[in-house]
Order: sequence, then structure tokens, then C-alpha cells
Amino acid sequence: AQSVTQLGSHVSVSEGALVLLRCNYSSSVPPYLFWYVQYPNQGLQLLLKYTSAATLVKGINGFEAEFKKSETSFHLTKPSAHMSDAAEYFCAVREGNQAGTALIFGKGTTLSVSS
Amino acid sequence: ETGVTQSPTHLIKTRGQQVTLRCSSQSGHNTVSWYQQALGQGPQFIFQYYREEENGRGNFPPRFSGLQFPNYSSELNVNALELDDSALYLCASSHSGGGHNEQFFGPGTRLTVL
Repeated sequence: AQSVTQLGSHVSVSEGALVLLRCNYSSSVPPYLFWYVQYPNQGLQLLLKYTSAATLVKGINGFEAEFKKSETSFHLTKPSAHMSDAAEYFCAVREGNQAGTALIFGKGTTLSVSS
Repeated sequence: ETGVTQSPTHLIKTRGQQVTLRCSSQSGHNTVSWYQQALGQGPQFIFQYYREEENGRGNFPPRFSGLQFPNYSSELNVNALELDDSALYLCASSHSGGGHNEQFFGPGTRLTVL
């Protein structure tokens, strides 16, 4: 079975600082990986996805992630944090074939941004 | 283009009762997945429906059941509610049959079991 592990349940940064949220995956096949963001009392919004096309993936709101097979990692970064980035972030791996698929999520990382 | 919608927004039930949650998929999507998100946790896959049939199931007991209708909307039914069923229930729609099956999530239904 595939799984993801998010290191650090809570990350705090200052506005303008680098954001780094860590995600490691476990998969026996080339994975499809995703980062989602969840604002309070809302559903999940897709930030970016890795589908084997390119190892550096750019997403919305200035976020990007790099797939590193040797490290089984897919860390999320943003060069300069903004107050509006404060939210819960989830890394997920897709399990299953094309007909039936489930997303397996990590436990999430809460990002706090201070002024 | 209408996104994924869910109803109701909030729901309070007592232990032992039954509940039905509803989801309307995004236009053009034929697959619906349901997830349970307990407080402070990541979403957990309950099951997926494609062409009105269950097409994959997570580690949830049979008292969690669902339906998908010809218009691709879906229901999640939970019988004999337990306190641990209190959670945010998320519905996600996608299009199976091509592409990477990106899942688009609704805002969720917050279920509280007393």
C-alpha cells in the first residue's frame, strides 16, 4: 500500500520568509503526488500535482514542489510567505488504477505566518 | 462551470441514528469519491462511485454505504451512528476514462454525533 508522511505537524514562518513543508512517500510504483491546501471551514483546493512529466512542478499562489525519487520526497516550497498562506496543507498520493483511484493523505501540516 | 456542492453544511445527530449526505459533482465529471476527515487528521478514503456502482472502498464498515445517480450526483449514508463518526465529510468528483483523474473537492458536511 502507498502512503505519505508529512514531517512537522506545525510550521511557523515570518511574512516574507521561505516556506518549506516536507512530504515523503512510499510507493511500489511511480507515484502520482499532490499537494492540497485547506482553509478553515472549507474543502480542499489543489495546489499542484506531479504526474511524471517534470520533476519540478509549479502550482498556484507561487508554490512549487520538487519530486526526488532518490529521497522519496515531494517537498512544497514558496520563496516568500504571505499572511494569506496560513492554512492546513496536505500531501497525497494516488492509489489504484485509472478506473478506480483513491487519494491517500498525510496528516497535514498547519502553516502559521506572522507579521 | 459549477463546482462540487454538498448538503447540508452542518448536521447534528444522536448516537444510533442514520444520516444521509448529498453531493453534486462538477459538470462533466462521472466519478464521485467520499472522504472522512476527523478533527486534526487528513482525509480518509471511504469509497468511490463510477457509473452508479461502488468502484473501490477504504477501511470503513458496511454501515457506511452510498449511491450514485444517473446525473452522477451521490449520497453517503451512515447507519447506527457512533460518536467517532463525528467528522467533516468531503465529496470529490473527477472524470474517469482519461487523464490523471484529478479530484475536485466540495466544501464538506460537518457531522456532529452526540
